[in-house]
Order: sequence, then C-alpha cells, then structure tokens
Amino acid sequence: EVRLSESGGGLVQPGGSLRLSCAASGFTFSSRAMAWVRQAPGKGLEWVSSTRAGGGDTYYADSVKGRFTISRDNSKNTLFLHMDSLRVEDTAVYYCAKGGSYVGRILEFWGRGTQVTVSS
Amino acid sequence: QSVLTQPPSASGTPGQRVTISCSGSSSNIGSNIVNWYQQLPGTAPKVLIYTNSQRPSGVPDRFSGSKSGTSASLAISGLQSEDEADYYCAAWDDSLNGWVFGGGTKLTVL
Repeated sequence: EVRLSESGGGLVQPGGSLRLSCAASGFTFSSRAMAWVRQAPGKGLEWVSSTRAGGGDTYYADSVKGRFTISRDNSKNTLFLHMDSLRVEDTAVYYCAKGGSYVGRILEFWGRGTQVTVSS
Repeated sequence: QSVLTQPPSASGTPGQRVTISCSGSSSNIGSNIVNWYQQLPGTAPKVLIYTNSQRPSGVPDRFSGSKSGTSASLAISGLQSEDEADYYCAAWDDSLNGWVFGGGTKLTVL
C-alpha cells in the first residue's frame, strides 16, 4: 500500500523558514518523480515544485523560485521542501505527491497534507 | 488566474450526465497528457482520470475523459450524490516547466 506522510508544517512569522518532510512507503521511491502541491484556504491547487526520480533535476513555480528548495533522500525514502523567506501568501496545506516514471506524466498519489501558516 | 480554464461550478440531478471542460494551450494540453483529480471535502485530491481517458482501478466507468487539441473534458454519467466534490484538470506545461492546474469545478448534485 502506497503511503505518503507529510510533516513539518506549523505557524511561522513572515520572513521565517520551515522544512517539510514527506516519508514515503509502499513503492520504489527512487524510481519515481515527486512533487509538492499546495492549496491555500478556500482556493484551488497550485503546483510548487517537482524533482526527477534521481533528484538531479528540479523544477519550481515562479512564485517560490529562489525561496524554496526541493530535495530527496532516496536512501531514506523521504522528500523535503525547504522554505525560506516565507510570505503570508504561502499559507496553505502542502501536499506531497508521488509522480510517474517521468516528471510530467502524473501526480498519481497524494498525502494528506501538512498545514503551513505564515502570520505575525 | 489559472493557466487551465475550467467553469467554477457545475450541477445536475441524480442520474443526469454532466460534463466539465478544461481549456489550455499548445504548451500544456496541446502537447501533454491530461489528468483529472477529484477532491472530496476535507480530503486530499485523488486521480480520477489519467492519460486523457484512462480510469484507475476502482473508479466507476460512469467517469470518462477525453482530449482534443488544446481542450479536455470530464464526463460524469448517472450522477450520484457522492459525486459532489471539486474536480481539477492538470497537465505539464513545457513553457513553464511545471504542472498547471485548472481553477477547479465545484460539482453540486441537486
């Protein structure tokens, strides 16, 4: 059974930092692209970042480029999102998503999400 | 404003057929596959249709997807109350080098 479990969310002041983690199980983590997608309160889905299976290539939405860093540890089946210079508009539920064999194929399974609130 | 355009709402009575459209451009729908997601209230999105028209196991055949040019659509036949949810289309965008989503369509079963 595929499982994705996000953690690391919380309340942070504008300008602060957070690191989200996503522990994966039930599939061969190292052979799948992975992604982070967020959903602001009452809003739709917004893609944040993706990484290829090997972790070498990373992709970012313009809204987070230069502030967020996606990474993965294939030896620990874990995906990360390091978020710096957080803004109020980054407030959202952050979902970890399992991708396909290539980065643009599918986001085929999603975790339950972790809440990030940026507020003073 | 979302890169992919969906109607914000749709509705139907039990048993009816409804369709939800998704309009994009040559850099996303026009050159890549489309996936559809269903998000029930308070839950994470799940794949409803992948690769334009394929259904994952467990998804009823009442749900179907199609794609033509730079547009795609999701059809739900035999509408049921449990179909009330938000529906999103998504595709990879070769110009943005990232996923783009529709703004979501809230389906109401009257």
